Amino acid sequence: TQLLEQSPQFLSIQEGENLTVYCNSSSVFSSLQWYRQEPGEGPVLLVTVVTGGEVKKLKRLTFQFGDARKDSSLHITAAQPGDTGLYLCAAPNQAGTALIFGKGTTLSVSS
Amino acid sequence: NAGVMQNPRHLVRRRGQEARLRCSPMKGHSHVYWYRQLPEEGLKFMVYLQKENIIDESGMPKERFSAEFPKEGPSILRIQQVVRGDSAAYFCASSPLGETQYFGPGTRLLVL
Repeated sequence: TQLLEQSPQFLSIQEGENLTVYCNSSSVFSSLQWYRQEPGEGPVLLVTVVTGGEVKKLKRLTFQFGDARKDSSLHITAAQPGDTGLYLCAAPNQAGTALIFGKGTTLSVSS
Repeated sequence: NAGVMQNPRHLVRRRGQEARLRCSPMKGHSHVYWYRQLPEEGLKFMVYLQKENIIDESGMPKERFSAEFPKEGPSILRIQQVVRGDSAAYFCASSPLGETQYFGPGTRLLVL
């Protein structure tokens, strides 16, 4: 069974702090995606990583795909209240017909 | 280019009634996926459809749930004889060629 484990489950920090959230699995994935979901809305795609060891930057967000393509991390520099939300990692199932999601990390950034 | 549209955004049903959830994919997208999100749980895949075809329904409950994506019109997720345990947020996603999925805002179903 393919599973994605995200940690931490909850994270509450002050504005300006840095943070890292993790997405781990025992399975190898062809790609991995990070989504951000706000209350009452659907997930919004942030990035797709495909190559082992790949690093992608999106303003203050840095995404890394593990060398073995089993894990990924999301690092946020100088967090802002607008970063508050649920961060989900997802990967295609073996058949390529659906996404498997982790349970997410709920981030709260206070000013 | 409008995003994925879902309606209604909120739906209240009494036990035993039927719920119909609609999803209009992004323009040019022929692949539709339905997911369910329960509190404290991640999104769980339900069904994957292309126009007039169900490709993968491995995540659909065996009874009371059905989905379709007709040649014309939106995709419909239908839940018959709803029970309280069906209360959840239901999300639709679409993709152009089975690649990156773009999600709609969801329908929040509450069964009383």
